[in-house]
Amino acid sequence: GAVVSQHPSRVICKSGTSVKIECRSLDFQATTMFWYRQFPKQSLMLMATSNEGSKATYEQGVEKDKFLINHASLTLSTLTVTSAHPEDSSFYICSARSGTGGQPQHFGDGTRLSIL
Amino acid sequence: GNSVTQMEGPVTLSEEAFLTINCTYTATGYPSLFWYVQYPGEGLQLLLKATKADDKGSNKGFEATYRKETTSFHLEKGSVQVSDSAVYFCALSLQRGNTGKLIFGQGTTLQVKP
Repeated sequence: GAVVSQHPSRVICKSGTSVKIECRSLDFQATTMFWYRQFPKQSLMLMATSNEGSKATYEQGVEKDKFLINHASLTLSTLTVTSAHPEDSSFYICSARSGTGGQPQHFGDGTRLSIL
Repeated sequence: GNSVTQMEGPVTLSEEAFLTINCTYTATGYPSLFWYVQYPGEGLQLLLKATKADDKGSNKGFEATYRKETTSFHLEKGSVQVSDSAVYFCALSLQRGNTGKLIFGQGTTLQVKP
């Protein structure tokens, strides 16, 4: 149980393109979803937290207009990287959690974004 | 503040060796503790968790005990396999008044040689 599906797994596109990444909880309702960015050989950096039907809460230094997050249902959240540039190239990972408090987060397999 | 510190890697072991990856934490509240594993090119998988003092989380031969007195959650395995090669992340989440944010350690790379 507790499967999170992230799609696509890899994206290669030209500079200036907007890219949408989907994160779905397949067998549970995700009250909260998280988006992370991971640089090579580094830990995960939390970008934003989203609750279903609410605006996302962004971490300090993360541009809201650059990284648009939508959490329209209890099973789907999307991250759109708008007008992507080479410096946005990274590994993006989503996670989902049901309930509150100390419940574990369940992670998707990540999306490798490469901007040419 | 809240933070997690892991031992630096890489940790290189021979197959069937005993593994310990140290993890200590600081927390203003009463955290839940987790170990996640990341295989190359993949997301994180929950390995085990513990939610209160003296709890022992275990899975796939890995164990970790929540030690409040030493604020530690060290990961152990009695006999590692080549397939255990991965990056291991220790993390905490505060249980109260919190969105459930995970605070990660820096990760420890484990390399197991045949």
